[in-house]
Amino acid sequence: DQQVKQNSPSLSVQEGRISILNCDYTNSMFDYFLWYKKYPAEGPTFLISISSIKDKNEDGRFTVFLNKSAKHLSLHIVPSQPGDSAVYFCAASGGRSQGNLIFGKGTKLSVKP
Amino acid sequence: ETGVTQTPRHLVMGMTNKKSLKCEQHLGHNAMYWYKQSAKKPLELMFVYSLEERVENNSVPSRFSPECPNSSHLFLHLHTLQPEDSALYLCASSQEWGSEQFFGPGTRLTVL
Repeated sequence: DQQVKQNSPSLSVQEGRISILNCDYTNSMFDYFLWYKKYPAEGPTFLISISSIKDKNEDGRFTVFLNKSAKHLSLHIVPSQPGDSAVYFCAASGGRSQGNLIFGKGTKLSVKP
Repeated sequence: ETGVTQTPRHLVMGMTNKKSLKCEQHLGHNAMYWYKQSAKKPLELMFVYSLEERVENNSVPSRFSPECPNSSHLFLHLHTLQPEDSALYLCASSQEWGSEQFFGPGTRLTVL
């Protein structure tokens, strides 16, 4: 059973608009959440993280929101740029295997000029 | 070289071959990881080494054998693989077990 779910395999957004990528988790012991970005033929690149003591973390155009009661987090990119086109992975850690990251399947974002 | 490097980038092998994947990190990190990424599946953690000791082995078949000779190098030895083992194998490192992980570019493995 997947503990981290990204239910949208793909998302298409116009350049300049907001991209919202969603992630749900089932394990209430998770206390640290990360987003990674992956271009083809490259490994994932760390983008932004949030710990469970916060509900928002912002870094430039990227903001991650955490709703613990809903076990939901989202990544907002604004304004979206064509170079943001990539696969975005949500990951979580905490609980029994505290050091390990559990990844979602990823959402492919396409930003159209 | 900076970051995490992996060699080879692409590998094609037969089911009876023996090969090794190499990972090197130049970040001074203490933890290293092997992941497998198959099509349409989440990244699957295979092995974790922290301070050169294996701390996690996620029920990986014995045809995959990791080796961590020092904190900068990680190997994945492969033998008698199956076609379903074809995937992208990613190495990562982190300052300590549990902190942000930095990934290498991966090795695209095809087993014929």
